[in-house]
Amino acid sequence: SQKIEQNSEALNIQEGKTATLTCNYTNYSPAYLQWYRQDPGRGPVFLLLIRENEKEKRKERLKVTFDTTLKQSLFHITASQPADSATYLCALDRISSNTGKLIFGQGTTLQVKP
Amino acid sequence: NAGVTQTPKFQVLKTGQSMTLQCAQDMNHEYMSWYRQDPGMGLRLIHYSVGAGITDQGEVPNGYNVSRSTTEDFPLRLLSAAPSQTSVYFCASSYSHKGSHEQYFGPGTRLTVT
Repeated sequence: SQKIEQNSEALNIQEGKTATLTCNYTNYSPAYLQWYRQDPGRGPVFLLLIRENEKEKRKERLKVTFDTTLKQSLFHITASQPADSATYLCALDRISSNTGKLIFGQGTTLQVKP
Repeated sequence: NAGVTQTPKFQVLKTGQSMTLQCAQDMNHEYMSWYRQDPGMGLRLIHYSVGAGITDQGEVPNGYNVSRSTTEDFPLRLLSAAPSQTSVYFCASSYSHKGSHEQYFGPGTRLTVT
């Protein structure tokens, strides 16, 4: 079956350290993969998109990698801050469907301790 | 711009009742989607639309109807509410940029069916 999986256990790290979140998928060949942030009681907010022909994408303290051979994306937050505490969701599209039909992982909760 | 708005924020229904969740966007996005979010299961696509007058089913469409008479509005109708429909519902809109879709989410509607 087609699956997209994120670590369901919460990730607890100390302020200033780098947080690394993992997104693994099976039986898809996505044209791109996205990462979203969700705060409690709010809708997800788009952070970054990486395409299948890109290995790495950066935005300020955020970095995303995309390995289509391993079928895995890594999401890094460097110099983490307590304000980065949230749930992070990965999402992917099917092969060039161009319909906006995304498949989401269940999310990983990040807790950054001061 | 208000972005994506949803009403109501909270709703309690009795089993068998029907209701409509409202969703509107003012960004002139062609694509709109409805998701439900349940603990441990991530976001699951209910219905989506690629433009006014065009809708299609997502992963979990049973018990829900949609219509898209205008670009701005995409209401979700629960025909006969069941306790299994207790969830948080998110509406999202997007546009196609080089085949990818950055989703803009509304604040969500928390629905409880007793």
